[in-house]
Amino acid sequence: KAGVTQTPRYLIKTRGQQVTLSCSPISGHRSVSWYQQTPGQGLQFLFEYFSETQRNKGNFPGRFSGRQFSNSRSEMNVSTLELGDSALYLCASSLRQSLDSPLHFGNGTRLTVT
Amino acid sequence: AQSVTQLGSHVSVSEGALVLLRCNYSSSVPPYLFWYVQYPNQGLQLLLKYTSAATLVKGINGFEAEFKKSETSFHLTKPSAHMSDAAEYFCAVSSAGGYNKLIFGAGTRLAVHP
Repeated sequence: KAGVTQTPRYLIKTRGQQVTLSCSPISGHRSVSWYQQTPGQGLQFLFEYFSETQRNKGNFPGRFSGRQFSNSRSEMNVSTLELGDSALYLCASSLRQSLDSPLHFGNGTRLTVT
Repeated sequence: AQSVTQLGSHVSVSEGALVLLRCNYSSSVPPYLFWYVQYPNQGLQLLLKYTSAATLVKGINGFEAEFKKSETSFHLTKPSAHMSDAAEYFCAVSSAGGYNKLIFGAGTRLAVHP
């Protein structure tokens, strides 16, 4: 079974631009969540989608948004990029919504903002 | 609110030596705890999880962790380190604030020397 696929692997953008990252979950997984990983802040939860609805959101500004499609694929968008948005963005999928359901992570998209 | 503290941002061991990575958690509800490993330029891979079924949890690659409620700890161990174990390890707790929302520790980078 294929794992979580994130595209692209690397992105370089300029301040003020916007970017869209894509995530394809493991087949059959309906929950997709996004995390930001930086050396200073570590791993931080962005948001979680289940059945095309955002179920939970982390403490990030409104410039960060996402959506989920009927096939469970998900995208996240960051508008008006800032230098501090440079990070590894990780997508994770899970079979169901539960506190003990393990997350399966993709290899991430490394975003560099210049 | 839940939180996770990983003691020691860097741990160095010799090949064949015991690996001990420390994790303490804070949770107002019975916790679900996880250990993940991250190799360079990759996402996170689940090593093991605690969901109250047994206090000693065995995971992949010879790792295990013991849940100790009295000490609020969930330390990760491996009897004999291998060079391939060199990676960054993250302890995480499920947030009571939402499904599939993990709160991660800052991580411990494990170096294995020949």
